[in-house]
Amino acid sequence: AQSVTQLGSHVSVSEGALVLLRCNYSSSVPPYLFWYVQYPNQGLQLLLKYTSAATLVKGINGFEAEFKKSETSFHLTKPSAHMSDAAEYFCAVTNTNAGKSTFGDGTTLTVKP
Amino acid sequence: DGGITQSPKYLFRKEGQNVTLSCEQNLNHDAMYWYRQDPGQGLRLIYYSQIVNDFQKGDIAEGYSVSREKKESFPLTVTSAQKNPTAFYLCASRLRGDNEQFFGPGTRLTVL
Repeated sequence: AQSVTQLGSHVSVSEGALVLLRCNYSSSVPPYLFWYVQYPNQGLQLLLKYTSAATLVKGINGFEAEFKKSETSFHLTKPSAHMSDAAEYFCAVTNTNAGKSTFGDGTTLTVKP
Repeated sequence: DGGITQSPKYLFRKEGQNVTLSCEQNLNHDAMYWYRQDPGQGLRLIYYSQIVNDFQKGDIAEGYSVSREKKESFPLTVTSAQKNPTAFYLCASRLRGDNEQFFGPGTRLTVL
């Protein structure tokens, strides 16, 4: 069984401030973890993924995430928020057997000027 | 360009009517998925298919049906048995041996 919890359904930051979106997971097998971004009325776009290589994963648009097994966490960060980062973000864990993914409920990021 | 297409972008139907949502991919991916997204909720898996002519129920399959007659196509039918069909529907695909899913642009279904 696998599950994902995203802490905070809404996060608001000022432009230029640090972005931190939290994700905790549970998985009975070594997980594959993903962060996706979704803009209104669009599909999901992959930001980054952890597949058991380096624990610090760098993605697109300046985002990165660190896999911490002891904390079962995969938090997403960006040093300096930009207005274009305003969107909904989803964390997901994948079961390798069927490629089935379980998604968190999402976090809406608002960036204030 | 390779990718996943979903049509139409917006769909309106009267209550009690069946409706079919299209999903096509030219990525040569083996597996395909249908998700439902409601406001404030994550994606919930409806059906998935790992090979042609085979598919499995996801977490919320009741009131939906699918077919996988071709590798590149995975249409979803929302039947009149689905009690609350208004939602945003997302199709995804995955290459065998990889764990990343690629998503289409989605179809917003509104039942009046």
